[in-house]
This record gives sequence, structure tokens and C-alpha cells, in this order.
Amino acid sequence: GENVEQHPSTLSVQEGDSAVIKCTYSDSASNYFPWYKQELGKGPQLIIDIRSNVGEKKDQRIAVTLNKTAKHFSLHITETQPEDSAVYFCAASSNTGNQFYFGTGTSLTVIP
Amino acid sequence: EAGVVQSPRYKIIEKKQPVAFWCNPISGHNTLYWYRQNLGQGPELLIRYENEEAVDDSQLPKDRFSAERLKGVDSTLKIQPAELGDSAVYLCASSFNSITEQYFGPGTRLTVT
Repeated sequence: GENVEQHPSTLSVQEGDSAVIKCTYSDSASNYFPWYKQELGKGPQLIIDIRSNVGEKKDQRIAVTLNKTAKHFSLHITETQPEDSAVYFCAASSNTGNQFYFGTGTSLTVIP
Repeated sequence: EAGVVQSPRYKIIEKKQPVAFWCNPISGHNTLYWYRQNLGQGPELLIRYENEEAVDDSQLPKDRFSAERLKGVDSTLKIQPAELGDSAVYLCASSFNSITEQYFGPGTRLTVT
């Protein structure tokens, strides 16, 4: 099955700086890559996703890049704010597998 | 529009006791998922339903876990008997179909003592 690795496990940045979280996957059939934000005591919330026919996608301060050849994708948050502090999870899935495989999460702390 | 609803939010039980979790997905979503999330880990799929049919339950410990989605809408996940290692957050998610984005509920935090 798919194996998704996520780095770093913890990340601290100053408010206003950028944060980058990286994930790698193993199954070349994976073609859908969502990112979730999970705040304490809540379920994961979808913040952005990308499909394998696209190399980059942006939504305001959040962007995701995908390199299918290298089997890695990254989340970029610019102009970080304290409310961005949360645990972020990447995931990968394929149409054939129909199952989401999650990374182990990155705890992001934005220091005011 | 209401999101995915789960209850209870918290449950504390002694080992060997039974426990049940309930999930009501987003209206119109045909696919329903149950995940288990251990502390410091990402969610791991337990079972996936397409309408009322369980199409992927390969990760469900069938000796003690069971699930149902009788009318293809809400779902119940049961553990009987619970073990100490079952302490985790149980998340329910739903999607329009199996290849579209998933939306998660708030989860049920289970503590087995």
C-alpha cells in the first residue's frame, strides 16, 4: 500500500515568516493530495488539495506544489499568523485505491 | 449547511466494556469513513462505506469492532469488548463519492481505563 512520510514533525516560525511542510509518497498511482489543518479538540479541516494533472495551486496565503516524478508535494504558508498554529496533515490517495493515506503530522507554532 | 456530526464527543469506559459511536454525514454524501487517530499520528482508516455497503474494512479489527450503516445515511461504530489500546480519537468523515474531498467530524475521544 501507500506510504506517506511528512517532515518536519514540529515547526516554529515568527509571525510574518513563511512555513514549508514536505511530504513524500511511494505509490505512483496516487493522484490526489489534500492537506488538512487540525486544531486542538477538532477534526481535520481540508485547507487545500491538488490533483496530479496540476503542478501548483494557490489559495491566498496557502500554496501546494507537486512533483510527480520525485513523488513529493509541499505545503507553503506565507505571512504566517498566530491562528495558523495547528497540526497539519498531508494525505495521498488514488482512484483505484480509494483510500486516503495520511502523514504523521506537523505541529506548526507561529510565534507572535 | 451542517457538517459531519459525531456523538458522543468524549467517552471514558473501563476495559472489557462495550462502547458505540454515532456519525451523521453531510447531507447527500454517499461515502462515509471511520478513522482512528492515535495521539501524535495521522488518521488511519478503519472502514469505508459506499451508501450502505462496506467496501473496505480490511483495517477493522473484526474480532471486537463492528460497524453498520443500515439506511446509507448515519452510521454506528461499536467496540466490544474495549481494550486499553483502543484509547484514541475516532473520526468520521464523509464525501460525495470516493474520489472527492473528505470532510471530517469533530471526533469522539475514547479513554479506556
